[in-house]
Amino acid sequence: AQKVTQAQTEISVVEKEDVTLDCVYETRDTTYYLFWYKQPPSGELVFLIRRNSFDEQNEISGRYSWNFQKSTSSFNFTITASQVVDSAVYFCALIRGGYSSASKIIFGSGTRLSIRP
Amino acid sequence: ETGVTQSPTHLIKTRGQQVTLRCSSQSGHNTVSWYQQALGQGPQFIFQYYREEENGRGNFPPRFSGLQFPNYSSELNVNALELDDSALYLCASSLQGWGQETQYFGPGTRLLVL
Repeated sequence: AQKVTQAQTEISVVEKEDVTLDCVYETRDTTYYLFWYKQPPSGELVFLIRRNSFDEQNEISGRYSWNFQKSTSSFNFTITASQVVDSAVYFCALIRGGYSSASKIIFGSGTRLSIRP
Repeated sequence: ETGVTQSPTHLIKTRGQQVTLRCSSQSGHNTVSWYQQALGQGPQFIFQYYREEENGRGNFPPRFSGLQFPNYSSELNVNALELDDSALYLCASSLQGWGQETQYFGPGTRLLVL
């Protein structure tokens, strides 16, 4: 069975602080994909990043960075110099790879991030 | 914006009624997936349609059904509504029905069942 755990239910920081959102996943597949989505109050899920199981390189995109470690089954997300606009619920997610049927996304329960001015 | 649209944005129904939600996929995408997101939880997979055929289904009863049309738009139908069906319903489109394809989400339909 596959599972994604986001142990941090809510995080609140002051603007300009760095913040890390934790994600731990479980899967027996050798090929899989990990995602982070952002959900602002409007409700739409915004795609942030996709990472496949064979690529453990960390990635940086502006103020966002991701640390993928297969040894600990973790895919953590760091926002540097946080801004009020970063306030949202963030979801970590997992999907099986390959050409099997039903590429359903397994979502974590989400972390609500509040950035205080 | 993802180019995925959903209608209506909000809906109020009473228990026992039926509802139809609609989704237009991003141009060029032939796969649509539907998810239910209860308040305070992560989205749960309902089913996926690939080229007008159901391509997989999550743990939802048969009263949740769907369709995909030749233009790859899709409908989610829910019969005999229950109070627990109150949720945000999200559709996502992707280029193919495979795992490596990123799913892009629409803004969702908020359904309230009274």
